[in-house]
Amino acid sequence: ETGVTQTPRHLVMGMTNKKSLKCEQHLGHNAMYWYKQSAKKPLELMFVYNFKEQTENNSVPSRFSPECPNSSHLFLHLHTLQPEDSALYLCASSQVDGESEQYFGPGTRLTVT
Amino acid sequence: GENVEQHPSTLSVQEGDSAVIKCTYSDSASNYFPWYKQELGKRPQLIIDIRSNVGEKKDQRIAVTLNKTAKHFSLHITETQPEDSAVYFCAASGSEYGNKLVFGAGTILRVKS
Repeated sequence: ETGVTQTPRHLVMGMTNKKSLKCEQHLGHNAMYWYKQSAKKPLELMFVYNFKEQTENNSVPSRFSPECPNSSHLFLHLHTLQPEDSALYLCASSQVDGESEQYFGPGTRLTVT
Repeated sequence: GENVEQHPSTLSVQEGDSAVIKCTYSDSASNYFPWYKQELGKRPQLIIDIRSNVGEKKDQRIAVTLNKTAKHFSLHITETQPEDSAVYFCAASGSEYGNKLVFGAGTILRVKS
C-alpha cells in the first residue's frame, strides 16, 4: 500500500484499557506527526519526530505516549484515557526540509467509554 | 508561538460563484503557507501552497495570495462546483519552528447547486 496508512481505523476502549495506534509511511519521508482532530476544533499537533527523534511535544498529557522505532513507523500508545480524548487521530509525514507538504493518513476514530 | 486565525467558519455559495477564505498569522518569521482540503470522512490533502517570496500562486480554479506586511493570506476558488464542498484549513510554518505547521480552525464550504 502506498502513502500513509493507519491501523486500526476505528477503536473503542474503556478508560482503564491500554491500546496502541500504528502509522506507517511508504514515502521515504523523515518526519512524522501525530495530530488530534476533534469536532469544531482545529487540527492539534501532538508530537513531531525527525529522523526518529522527538522534536515536539505539544503539552500532551502523559496518558499519550509516542514511539518512533524508525523513520517509517510511528505508534501512539494509549492508557487510562478520558472520554474527552475521543477524537480522530491523524498521522502525517513529510520530508524534513522545514516547509513541505504533509501527507496524512486516513486516521483512527477513537471512542473512549 | 505562531497563531493562525481563519475566517469565515462556514461559507455557502451558489455553484459557479467564487469563494474566498482568509487567514491571518502572528509570527512574521513564518514563510510557508499551505492550504488543505478535507472532504467528509476523508483525510486532509494539500491543494495549494505558497512561500514568502511569492505574492500569488494559481492552479486552475484555485489561487492563493499572500500579504507578508499585513500577515494574511487568502484562498480563492473560482467557478465553484459541488465537489468543492469540504472543510478547508490554512496553515503557517517558519524555519524557526522547523516542521511544525500551525493550522487555522477550518472553513466549511458548501456549494449549492
